[in-house]
Amino acid sequence: AQSVTQLGSHVSVSEGALVLLRCNYSSSVPPYLFWYVQYPNQGLQLLLKYTTGATLVKGINGFEAEFKKSETSFHLTKPSAHMSDAAEYFCAVSGGGATNKLIFGTGTLLAVQP
Amino acid sequence: GAGVSQSPSNKVTEKGKDVELRCDPISGHTALYWYRQSLGQGLEFLIYFQGNSAPDKSGLPSDRFSAERTGGSVSTLTIQRTQQEDSAVYLCASSLTGGLFAEAFFGQGTRLTVV
Repeated sequence: AQSVTQLGSHVSVSEGALVLLRCNYSSSVPPYLFWYVQYPNQGLQLLLKYTTGATLVKGINGFEAEFKKSETSFHLTKPSAHMSDAAEYFCAVSGGGATNKLIFGTGTLLAVQP
Repeated sequence: GAGVSQSPSNKVTEKGKDVELRCDPISGHTALYWYRQSLGQGLEFLIYFQGNSAPDKSGLPSDRFSAERTGGSVSTLTIQRTQQEDSAVYLCASSLTGGLFAEAFFGQGTRLTVV
């Protein structure tokens, strides 16, 4: 079975500070990992994904994430937070297979203080 | 349409009533997913369609929940005899093929409140 744990349901950073959102996964098969962002009253939008190959993945809006198999982690980072980054972020895992369904974490709400 | 469209955007219903939630996927997308987003619970997978078939219904929480898809396009999620614990945001997503490299696009969801 696959699962995702996001540490910290709420994270607050100052504008210009480093953003670090943590995600750990459990998977019995090689995992495919995703980060989605949900802005208020909007649907989920794909930020980035890791499938195979390079373990450092770059996404939209300056975000990136590194797949670390030894630590079963896929933490999301951004060097300098912007007010527009305030949103809820979801980490997800998929084992591929017939349905490619995503198993999501419980989300981290990011607040950016001026 | 340009994106995944869900209707209604908000639904308030009385306990015990039946509700239908609609999803219009992106034109040409063969894969369609339903998820449920509850406060503090993240997103929970409900059902997956490939065309009009549902090869994975493993996430439906009870037999009060059912879904269908017609014409390989529009999907309807039906909840019978609604309960208060059914209150949540129901999200629909579609992807071109359902394959690993096909990005899933999400609708804005239907917020269901059972009173």
